[in-house]
Amino acid sequence: ILNVEQSPQSLHVQEGDSTNFTCSFPSSNFYALHWYRWETAKSPEALFVMTLNGDEKKKGRISATLNTKEGYSYLYIKGSQPEDSATYLCAFPLLTGGGNKLTFGTGTQLKVEL
Amino acid sequence: GAGVSQTPSNKVTEKGKYVELRCDPISGHTALYWYRQSLGQGPEFLIYFQGTGAADDSGLPNDRFFAVRPEGSVSTLKIQRTERGDSAVYLCASSLSSSGGVYSNEQFFGPGTRLTVL
Repeated sequence: ILNVEQSPQSLHVQEGDSTNFTCSFPSSNFYALHWYRWETAKSPEALFVMTLNGDEKKKGRISATLNTKEGYSYLYIKGSQPEDSATYLCAFPLLTGGGNKLTFGTGTQLKVEL
Repeated sequence: GAGVSQTPSNKVTEKGKYVELRCDPISGHTALYWYRQSLGQGPEFLIYFQGTGAADDSGLPNDRFFAVRPEGSVSTLKIQRTERGDSAVYLCASSLSSSGGVYSNEQFFGPGTRLTVL
């Protein structure tokens, strides 16, 4: 059984705060790591797909880093805004018959308050 | 363009009833996945279709669950004799796929169907 863990489980921050959370995954047989953002009543939206050790990716105020040797990825949000409130999920893909089945962590639920 | 759509958005049913959940993937996406998110958990893989065939159904919890994709586009997840433990958000995702698989292929998700079994 693949173990993908996320911490913290939930986080409340004030508007303008910067925050970060962690995804840990098996460091052996690493292929890629996906980050998704899931807002209530909407579709999960892909943020990043990270493949190389030391990868650093950025989209606006959100960035992510990857350490495949120790098996973790950090997601950072700079200057949090209320619209950043969502559940952030990381997922580890396993190859299956030409596709990838994703094993998700339990997510970090972020609430940004005014 | 149109994203992945799922219907209904909410379904309330009684224990023992049969339900069908529908997924319309992005046009041209040959890979289609079903996941289920129970309360307090991350989404869990149920089944993967490549075209019309189920390439991996190892995540289906038992034989009450069945899914089809007869023409390689729309898929229906069918649950017989529903139980209270089936209550969850059922997510569908689609993606492009290449032979041999590509770990970095992004999956595009629908908004999910929230199933409540009373």
